[in-house]
Amino acid sequence: ETGVTQTPRHLVMGMTNKKSLKCEQHLGHNAMYWYKQSAKKPLELMFVYNFKEQTENNSVPSRFSPECPNSSHLFLHLHTLQPEDSALYLCASSPLGAGVGETQYFGPGTRLLVL
Amino acid sequence: AQKVTQAQTEISVVEKEDVTLDCVYETRDTTYYLFWYKQPPSGELVFLIRRNSFDEQNEISGRYSWNFQKSTSSFNFTITASQVVDSAVYFCALRETGSGGSNYKLTFGKGTLLTVNP
Repeated sequence: ETGVTQTPRHLVMGMTNKKSLKCEQHLGHNAMYWYKQSAKKPLELMFVYNFKEQTENNSVPSRFSPECPNSSHLFLHLHTLQPEDSALYLCASSPLGAGVGETQYFGPGTRLLVL
Repeated sequence: AQKVTQAQTEISVVEKEDVTLDCVYETRDTTYYLFWYKQPPSGELVFLIRRNSFDEQNEISGRYSWNFQKSTSSFNFTITASQVVDSAVYFCALRETGSGGSNYKLTFGKGTLLTVNP
């Protein structure tokens, strides 16, 4: 496989469930990102990992918990979510480690519905 | 104020028409980067172009062209002879290089939904 992959592509969960989103990049990049895309709103950066270290938490509620075990994998653990958390969650990666001007390459996203 | 404004929420054209998507940005940085991404219905954001603030040359790639005007803080995108496959949401994004360690943050516009009808 090439590029950035995300699983699952679709997820429906109840507010009391715990689930995880997975992102994998096959590009040899050193930085990975989680974005949230809600209807009618711009993409919002959630987390940044640079060489496996979290360098940005954009005021994200603690019910979202990221994990980056290595430079190729990024997880987003979800628990006790709210219906307003329903959105498309996009993962991205960039080559040299979140440097200035780098291009970010995106995965296809996980469409999450919280009931 | 929005840092990236895409004033056109939706545009609908007929195949083979030319269409221009507008993007206006706001920054105090002298060095910054601008991007365009395409998001087809499948959801994946596809990178189209990156332009740094010191390079005002317009760029053409096949049917796509970009017009960067620092004087008006605009980075417009034109599709020539549009095709049905061009139907997607197009996002303009800004990456600033200011202080505070946030120079990896892409600020996106709200996107323009382009529909190309046969």
